[in-house]
Amino acid sequence: EVQLLESGGGLVQPGGSLRLSCAASGFTFSSNAMSWVRQAPGKGLEWVSLISGSGGSTYYADSVKGRFTISRDNSKNTLSLQMNSLRADDTAVYYCAKSVIAVAGTSYWGQGTLVTVSS
Amino acid sequence: QSVLTQPPSASGTPGQRVTISCSGSSSNIGSNSVNWYQQLPGTAPKLLIYSNNQRPSGVPDRFSGSKSGTSASLAISGLQPEDEADYYCAAWDDSLNGVVFGGGTKLTVL
Repeated sequence: EVQLLESGGGLVQPGGSLRLSCAASGFTFSSNAMSWVRQAPGKGLEWVSLISGSGGSTYYADSVKGRFTISRDNSKNTLSLQMNSLRADDTAVYYCAKSVIAVAGTSYWGQGTLVTVSS
Repeated sequence: QSVLTQPPSASGTPGQRVTISCSGSSSNIGSNSVNWYQQLPGTAPKLLIYSNNQRPSGVPDRFSGSKSGTSASLAISGLQPEDEADYYCAAWDDSLNGVVFGGGTKLTVL
């Protein structure tokens, strides 16, 4: 059974940093691209970042480029998102996801972790 | 402002058929496949349609998807109260080099 478990969310002041983690199990982690998707309170879904299975390719939404860094540790089946220079509009539930654009009929999402940026 | 455009709301009565549109451009829907997600309050999105018109295992055949040019549609027939949820379209965008979502459509079952 595929499981994605996010952690690391919490309250942080504007300008601060936070590191999110996602523990993956139930599939061959290193063979799959992974994404972070966020959802601000009462708002829609916003894709944040994607990393290839090997970690060699990364992609970012313009809204986070230069501030967020996605990475993965395939030896530990862990996906991470380092978030720096946080702003109030980064406040959202952050989801870790496998196959956001599904081509094989499956897409898996974690339960999400809440990041609140406020003074 | 979302790259993919969806109506903010839709509604129907039980048993009716409703459709939700998703409009994009040549760099996203026009050249890549569309996924549709259903999100119930307080839960993670659930894949409803992939590759424009394919249903994952377990999704009722009341749900169907289509694509034409730079637009896509989700149709729900035989509307049921449990279909009340938010629906999102998504596609890869070749110009932005990323995934783009629609703004979401809140479906109300009257």
